[in-house]
Amino acid sequence: GAGVSQTPSNKVTEKGKYVELRCDPISGHTALYWYRQSLGQGPEFLIYFQGTGAADDSGLPNDRFFAVRPEGSVSTLKIQRTERGDSAVYLCASSLGGNTDTQYFGPGTRLTVL
Amino acid sequence: AQSVTQLDSQVPVFEEAPVELRCNYSSSVSVYLFWYVQYPNQGLQLLLKYLSGSTLVKGINGFEAEFNKSQTSFHLRKPSVHISDTAEYFCAVRLGGSNYKLTFGKGTLLTVNP
Repeated sequence: GAGVSQTPSNKVTEKGKYVELRCDPISGHTALYWYRQSLGQGPEFLIYFQGTGAADDSGLPNDRFFAVRPEGSVSTLKIQRTERGDSAVYLCASSLGGNTDTQYFGPGTRLTVL
Repeated sequence: AQSVTQLDSQVPVFEEAPVELRCNYSSSVSVYLFWYVQYPNQGLQLLLKYLSGSTLVKGINGFEAEFNKSQTSFHLRKPSVHISDTAEYFCAVRLGGSNYKLTFGKGTLLTVNP
């Protein structure tokens, strides 16, 4: 079946601009996660949704970052006033939502801020 | 807070040789442990996970890992590697309970040479 998909695969923007990154989870998965992977680092947690609500947003670096999941399926990560330090690969994952369920990752969106 | 240390950033080996990728974690509470693999230009794929029970866990592609609570380690092993195993490997930890976010190590690049 279809896996987690993310669009766009690449995004180049200028410093100060606004960007939206989209994640389509596996059908039926209630839990959705966003991670950020900087060059040479492992993924770092940003935010976790159970259904429509953010269960944990402690990883969002500052108030320029915001994520929504209005219908409990697709999620959008929004970054305002982008900075060069926001350049990274943004990964989305989803799971069934149970305590021991595997997180399945999408291919990521590579964001470059010039 | 939990953390993960992958002791080797790069591991070069020859084809058909055995390999061990090291992972240590720190946590004051019980954890679940994971190994993910990331092939070039692809998303993260789960290799194996330890949730409970037997400390020796077998995964896909002939990999296995052993949970050692006293040494807080979860090293990944394969008795004979192939060229196709060349990839970045990430160890990750998750706390027990209702927060499912993963904390990743920085990764180990395994390069298998002919």
